[in-house]
Amino acid sequence: AQSVTQLGSHVSVSEGALVLLRCNYSSSVPPYLFWYVQYPNQGLQLLLKYTSAATLVKGINGFEAEFKKSETSFHLTKPSAHMSDAAEYFCAVIQSGAAGNKLTFGGGTRVLVKP
Amino acid sequence: SQTIHQWPATLVQPVGSPLSLECTVEGTSNPNLYWYRQAAGRGLQLLFYSVGIGQISSEVPQNLSASRPQDRQFILSSKKLLLSDSGFYLCAWKGDLAVNTGELFFGEGSRLTVL
Repeated sequence: AQSVTQLGSHVSVSEGALVLLRCNYSSSVPPYLFWYVQYPNQGLQLLLKYTSAATLVKGINGFEAEFKKSETSFHLTKPSAHMSDAAEYFCAVIQSGAAGNKLTFGGGTRVLVKP
Repeated sequence: SQTIHQWPATLVQPVGSPLSLECTVEGTSNPNLYWYRQAAGRGLQLLFYSVGIGQISSEVPQNLSASRPQDRQFILSSKKLLLSDSGFYLCAWKGDLAVNTGELFFGEGSRLTVL
């Protein structure tokens, strides 16, 4: 079984400050991990993914995430928040090689950027 | 390139009326297809997925049904809508895990309001 926990349903940051969104997963086999972003009334857009290559993954819009197996974490960061980063972010996990290949999503973290 | 489309984008329906949301994928063959729902404050809930024509798996018991009449078409339906069916419905597709590491690609979403 696999699951994802995102700590904090809401995060507020000032423009220019560090963005840190936390994600912890559980998986019985090596996972693939993803971060998605959702802007209001839109579908989800893939930010970045971890697929057992480099543990530090760079994505679009200046975001990156680091896979830490010992901590079962895949936290998302961005050094300097921009107003356009205001959105909801979802972490997701899939078991590599799993038949059916169902993605499991965390509950989401809504980011508010203050000027 | 692959694209995914959903329609209608918004829908306001009375309780007890039928529902049909349609999703089509272009530029790929034999995709896995998914319907998710986002209700306020409840994150992403997987409703149905399909690995092929006529093959539907339901994740949760509910008032909705899904069908896949063609390889790249996925339809979400209801015979009689309930108030609790209101939400943002997202269609997604995924290609062969060996090809693209399992991430989902989402449509633009359909906002359903049941009154």
